[in-house]
Amino acid sequence: GESVGLHLPTLSVQEGDNSIINCAYSNSASDYFIWYKQESGKGPQFIIDIRSNMDKRQGQRVTVLLNKTVKHLSLQIAATQPGDSAVYFCAENHSSYKLIFGSGTRLLVRP
Amino acid sequence: DTAVSQTPKYLVTQMGNDKSIKCEQNLGHDTMYWYKQDSKKFLKIMFSYNNKELIINETVPNRFSPKSPDKAHLNLHINSLELGDSAVYFCASSPAGDDTEAFFGQGTRLTVV
Repeated sequence: GESVGLHLPTLSVQEGDNSIINCAYSNSASDYFIWYKQESGKGPQFIIDIRSNMDKRQGQRVTVLLNKTVKHLSLQIAATQPGDSAVYFCAENHSSYKLIFGSGTRLLVRP
Repeated sequence: DTAVSQTPKYLVTQMGNDKSIKCEQNLGHDTMYWYKQDSKKFLKIMFSYNNKELIINETVPNRFSPKSPDKAHLNLHINSLELGDSAVYFCASSPAGDDTEAFFGQGTRLTVV
């Protein structure tokens, strides 16, 4: 079956440190991946995406790494800030009309 | 302007009742979705529509009936509500085609008592 999963349900980091959130996916046919951030009481918000023909993509303070060999995705957040506290989801889109979400990782930023 | 808006934000109702959640997007997208998020934060797709046509129904009970009067609206009607229907329901939309992100509404928290 299809599944996208995360290794760590909760990650606690010190403000200013870097955060790494991991995700494993099982469908080798997946060709597009997205990281979403969900703050309390809100809907998921797009952070960054990556296509399967890439292994790295950088945004503002965020980097996504894709390792297709082991079907692993990670989100790196540089200089983590209190506003980064949220639940982070990886999502896999291998068809136009279906986005499959992982189980989520809660990021807690300690002051 | 809110890109994807759903109403109501909160909905508390008794078992056995019928309720509807409305969703509208002003992004001009062709594709719209309903997702269900359970108490453990797991997000699961329920339905996707493209240009008012049902594309995906993820084995959702037929008590759930989506309706898309036009491509900017996708409403969700639920009959005979059960305790297990309690969750947060998210509407989303995306442009047509592959490799496109979905934009989510703020969610509707449904509580069945």
